[in-house]
Amino acid sequence: QKEVEQDPGPLSVPEGAIVSLNCTYSNSAFQYFMWYRQYSRKGPELLMYTYSSGNKEDGRFTAQVDKSSKYISLFIRDSQPSDSATYLCAMSANSGNTPLVFGKGTRLSVIA
Amino acid sequence: ETGVTQSPTHLIKTRGQQVTLRCSSQSGHNTVSWYQQALGQGPQFIFQYYREEENGRGNFPPRFSGLQFPNYSSELNVNALELDDSALYLCASSLATGSYGYTFGSGTRLTVV
Repeated sequence: QKEVEQDPGPLSVPEGAIVSLNCTYSNSAFQYFMWYRQYSRKGPELLMYTYSSGNKEDGRFTAQVDKSSKYISLFIRDSQPSDSATYLCAMSANSGNTPLVFGKGTRLSVIA
Repeated sequence: ETGVTQSPTHLIKTRGQQVTLRCSSQSGHNTVSWYQQALGQGPQFIFQYYREEENGRGNFPPRFSGLQFPNYSSELNVNALELDDSALYLCASSLATGSYGYTFGSGTRLTVV
């Protein structure tokens, strides 16, 4: 079993839809949870960062962490064609410069 | 200047050759990490440098090595290239302490033929 599991998709939704992206993990030491967005031919860009369990909202994006279930989610409201990218979940046990463990990434296409 | 810059953007090498990839950290960041991203996969941690010393390594063989320079820029060297080394190599810079945040470069696409 991989440390972080993420459905690679691809996921295709119409513009304006609510998108739900998910990851599960096995390492209970993980405390820091991130979502990165990666456009084609670009490096990952940090979207959301959450410590421990709970929700965090930033504009159209909401990140949820359920440590008891070892499950994290990213919701995108009112999805736009510009949201079309690969979304990577990442986790680490400590803050600062602790190495990240990534999921495979989910390819999302938002169709106008 | 802000952001992480990597060079070259693309590279084609022959199996058995050696390659050096370069990275300039984001201004103010003193830690550099390197990740390998194979096609259709998430990035995998190779190693990390802080104060010119390697202070963490993932599950990669010794033919993957690196350097960090006093200005915090970094190199990734790969010897005896194998076909499976074909991937996007990402450099990420961060601060050793304080608030969390990695800044990734756009990567170097290495193809081994």
